[in-house]
Amino acid sequence: DAGVIQSPRHEVTEMGQEVTLRCKPISGHNSLFWYRQTMMRGLELLIYFNNNVPIDDSGMPEDRFSAKMPNASFSTLKIQPSEPRDSAVYFCASSRNRDLVIEAFFGQGTRLTVV
Amino acid sequence: AQSVAQPEDQVNVAEGNPLTVKCTYSVSGNPYLFWYVQYPNRGLQFLLKYITGDNLVKGSYGFEAEFNKSQTSFHLKKPSALVSDSALYFCAVRDRGSGNTGKLIFGQGTTLQVKP
Repeated sequence: DAGVIQSPRHEVTEMGQEVTLRCKPISGHNSLFWYRQTMMRGLELLIYFNNNVPIDDSGMPEDRFSAKMPNASFSTLKIQPSEPRDSAVYFCASSRNRDLVIEAFFGQGTRLTVV
Repeated sequence: AQSVAQPEDQVNVAEGNPLTVKCTYSVSGNPYLFWYVQYPNRGLQFLLKYITGDNLVKGSYGFEAEFNKSQTSFHLKKPSALVSDSALYFCAVRDRGSGNTGKLIFGQGTTLQVKP
């Protein structure tokens, strides 16, 4: 398996633009997590899904952020409109949750810069 | 609410010496506990986990961790550090939830610096 795949790896955008980050989890995994990493705030959980259903979005910072998981093999995190303070590395992770294999596997991340 | 604390921002050790990276947690019930490592410009890599059973768990690259329920701690250890172990280490806790599908949250991370 290729692991968790995130795209793009890097994104530079202007303030006010819409940004969409994409994630393909590992096949057969039924939990998907979105995290944001910054120097100041560390690794924050934004939202997670189980079986494509959002379970907890309490970490989503504002209404400008939204996430979807239309099927088991794809998820998006959208920021509209983007602001400079959204600059961070965004990680997607997935976990299987069966047979005691409950650890999450991470993608390489998307480094977002909003100017 | 569940939480994870890594009290040290940075740990410095000499190569060949034992290392310990500390982690304490707060969660209702029995948690799942994890350690991850992150190298520069990379995603997090899974090192080891505690699910149940033996309190001492062994993981990748010679790392181990000891689960202490009374102290709610899960410290990461290695008997002999290598320069290549220098990285950012994260402790994480997952609520068991329903069907092992609970929330997964991370500590702030500890930078391990191993000097030759």
